[in-house]
Amino acid sequence: DAGITQSPRHKVTETGTPVTLRCHQTENHRYMYWYRQDPGHGLRLIHYSYGVKDTDKGEVSDGYSVSRSKTEDFLLTLESATSSQTSVYFCAISDLAGEPTEAFFGQGTRLTVV
Amino acid sequence: SQQGEEDPQALSIQEGENATMNCSYKTSINNLQWYRQNSGRGLVHLILIRSNEREKHSGRLRVTLDTSKKSSSLLITASRAADTASYFCATDEWYSSASKIIFGSGTRLSIRP
Repeated sequence: DAGITQSPRHKVTETGTPVTLRCHQTENHRYMYWYRQDPGHGLRLIHYSYGVKDTDKGEVSDGYSVSRSKTEDFLLTLESATSSQTSVYFCAISDLAGEPTEAFFGQGTRLTVV
Repeated sequence: SQQGEEDPQALSIQEGENATMNCSYKTSINNLQWYRQNSGRGLVHLILIRSNEREKHSGRLRVTLDTSKKSSSLLITASRAADTASYFCATDEWYSSASKIIFGSGTRLSIRP
């Protein structure tokens, strides 16, 4: 299995509080992604990174911010959590160094906003 | 909206039968990938087909790509109970020198014993 770890694996938080999810990789892959998965919607891209300090928005970026200060870590922050952000969040890594390659996924973080 | 849309949304077949899932996408791509997700787990890569390829095989998997119709199909032959999972297609979108991977909504496959 690719070296990718998400933390925490489960979290319950209150509406209005900030929340940070962490994705850590040991593969030195260039690309890192954050997705959310909800019933009936498949995986939707929130933000992605193509290098240290290089990030861009995905399909559903409102209410989320990201940071990547090191190759191995990609943080997803919910500035002020809302119930609509209750979801399962997946981090993925990929090394698209000029050639298309597969994405490797973490085990997911189940976030509940109450 | 999502790049890829799978059809059907759900499929139930008898063990031993073949399963076919389709994916349509909207923009030009460099490659298309298929992934499998077992309940509650992360996605696992199955196969990648490049835009200049029309067909690719891997074990019991056969993938076709028709770039003129912006569509792909995944065929699983001789299905097994262990094939029960959700299947997603994914396409790449390139902007300047960066790319992002966009997933479809998936097909839930159930294999009946």
